[in-house]
Amino acid sequence: NAGVTQTPKFQVLKTGQSMTLQCAQDMNHEYMSWYRQDPGMGLRLIHYSVGAGITDQGEVPNGYNVSRSTTEDFPLRLLSAAPSQTSVYFCASGFSVEAFFGQGTRLTVV
Amino acid sequence: AQSVTQLDSQVPVFEEAPVELRCNYSSSVSVYLFWYVQYPNQGLQLLLKYLSGSTLVESINGFEAEFNKSQTSFHLRKPSVHISDTAEYFCGANSGGSNYKLTFGKGTLLTVNP
Repeated sequence: NAGVTQTPKFQVLKTGQSMTLQCAQDMNHEYMSWYRQDPGMGLRLIHYSVGAGITDQGEVPNGYNVSRSTTEDFPLRLLSAAPSQTSVYFCASGFSVEAFFGQGTRLTVV
Repeated sequence: AQSVTQLDSQVPVFEEAPVELRCNYSSSVSVYLFWYVQYPNQGLQLLLKYLSGSTLVESINGFEAEFNKSQTSFHLRKPSVHISDTAEYFCGANSGGSNYKLTFGKGTLLTVNP
């Protein structure tokens, strides 16, 4: 039972490049979400999903896209990376009101 | 909108001293409350949670938190800290129902010094 798995762990992008952060969970959770963590800002919700085919925006959605084609996977796409997207990204999945977090992806945009 | 305020961004203490990390929430509806811990270069781990029932909840490593509805607080306490408790602690709230979204405070960095 792996829980929530995020890949990659580290990534450096050039401004304007695109990439996808992967997130997979094996707990059959309906709810999945993406957060970004910045110093002094805590965790801010980017996008979330309450089931396959259903996604919605969180607090800071600009510059990010998501889709949810299966219960297990919830990828986060950066279409044109910007230095302001340098951050640590966490994926979480949950049942009811409790969330389980992945180990994070540290992204640097230069 | 629901919000969570952690009143201290950093709390330095000496080993074996007591500690309190403060958290206040604002909500006009029933609320579920959590404390998560993040050790250096790791993800968040659930430390303890309040869903209903007893207002005092405990973790397996000696932390406890008390839900105080009248003061809208959920402060985290430990009577004697260890070096290994050095980490960042996040308070979170969820209003339940069909809303699965967690709202987090900005975090409190607990540093335990020898």
